[in-house]
Amino acid sequence: GQNIDQPTEMTATEGAIVQINCTYQTSGFNGLFWYQQHAGEAPTFLSYNVLDGLEEKGRFSSFLSRSKGYSYLLLKELQMKDSASYLCAVTPQTTDSWGKLQFGAGTQVVVTP
Amino acid sequence: DARVTQTPRDKVTEMGQEVTMRCQPILGHNTVFWYRQTMMQGLELLAYFRNRAPLDDSGMPKDRFSAEMPDATLATLKIQPSEPRDSAVYFCASGSGDTQETQYFGPGTRLLVL
Repeated sequence: GQNIDQPTEMTATEGAIVQINCTYQTSGFNGLFWYQQHAGEAPTFLSYNVLDGLEEKGRFSSFLSRSKGYSYLLLKELQMKDSASYLCAVTPQTTDSWGKLQFGAGTQVVVTP
Repeated sequence: DARVTQTPRDKVTEMGQEVTMRCQPILGHNTVFWYRQTMMQGLELLAYFRNRAPLDDSGMPKDRFSAEMPDATLATLKIQPSEPRDSAVYFCASGSGDTQETQYFGPGTRLLVL
C-alpha cells in the first residue's frame, strides 16, 4: 500500500512563498500528482512529476526525488485566491493500475492579507 | 469547454433508501473513477473503469454499493440501502487512459443520509 504524509495546514502572507512537502512510502511508484481543491469544489490538476527534478508552471513549481520518496509544491507570489487545500497523490507502478491515485489528506493553505 | 458532469449535485435521503448518482465523463476519455470525500477519511477511491470494464472496486463496500458503465457516456454509482455513514461528497473523474492519466473531476454529488 501507500502511506502519504503532508502537513495539515500552512499560513502565509499575500505575495510570499510557501512550500508544501509531501513524503510517501510505497510498494511501487509511477508518478506523483498535485491537485488544488477550493472549499466546496472539485480537485483540479496542478502538476505531475515522474522523473526527479523540478517542474515549473508559472507561479507553481513541483519537485520530486524518487530515491527519497519526497516531493514539494512551491507556490510563489501568493494571492488570496491560492487559499485552498493542496493534495499530493501517487500512482502505483503497475501498468494495469497506473491511473489508481492514492491521495494524501491535503494541506490547507491560508493566505492572509 | 469539456467537463465531467454529475447529477444530482445535492441529495438528501433517509436511511434505507436507494441512491443513484450519475456521471458523464469527458467525451473521448476512456477511464472513469469514483471517489468519496469526507473530513475524516479524505479522498478515497471507490472504483474505476477503463473502456467501460471495471478494473478495481476494492475500495467499495460490496454489500451495498455498485458501480456500472452502461455506455461510454454514462457511469453510475448506486447505494442500496443507504446508511448515515454514507454521507459524503462523491466525485466522478475521467481520464484519457495514457500513462500520465491526469484526472478531471466533476463537481461532485453531496449526499446526506438522515
